Amino acid sequence: QVQLQASGPGLVKPSGTLSLTCAVSGGFISTNNWWSWVRQPPGKGLEWIGEIHHSGKTNYNPSLKSRVSISVDKSKNQFSLNLSSVTAADTAVYFCARERTYWGQGTLVTVSS
Amino acid sequence: DIVMTQTPLSSPVTLGQPASISCRSSQSLVNSDGNTYLSWLQQRPGQPPRLLIYKISNRLSGVPDRFSGSGAGTDFTLKISRVEAEDVGVYYCTQASQLPYTFGQGTKLEIK
Repeated sequence: QVQLQASGPGLVKPSGTLSLTCAVSGGFISTNNWWSWVRQPPGKGLEWIGEIHHSGKTNYNPSLKSRVSISVDKSKNQFSLNLSSVTAADTAVYFCARERTYWGQGTLVTVSS
Repeated sequence: DIVMTQTPLSSPVTLGQPASISCRSSQSLVNSDGNTYLSWLQQRPGQPPRLLIYKISNRLSGVPDRFSGSGAGTDFTLKISRVEAEDVGVYYCTQASQLPYTFGQGTKLEIK
């Protein structure tokens, strides 16, 4: 059973960069799957941020594309999210997932000074 | 972007009774490969989403058979034949037929 665990700072200052890592266990990241980031502002719905294939190919949500970067580290079996120039509107629980089948628990990131 | 519209947004249901959630997309979800990548997710309070149904009507292994999905093109439905207490939560439809992937607003299922 594939398991995912997102980790990273829970507090980021406005205009800073949000950086999260998703560790994958129970399976290899070098499979023919897409590894995604999805976020959920408190009390609201889900928003797809983007995805990466182990080949390095990425797809991003155009609404965030200018600020988002997703990378993969096959040696560590993990993938990462960087979101720059954050504001309070980026406060959310960030989930990592393998497509829509397996989801991590999510990590709350608050943007505040 | 494809807009996913769910109805109702809230559904109070009596235990043991059926429930139905509708999802309509602003464009056809038939992909160029002929598949329709419409899925249903369940999110219990305080939990991450859980995949129930993929490609309209395929139940993920371990999902109770009281959950079923149907539809085609732009109109889709999730049905629960007999609601149980553990079914309380928010249900989302989501499409992966066209980038960017999008979600419905969510339907909150609660017990009367």
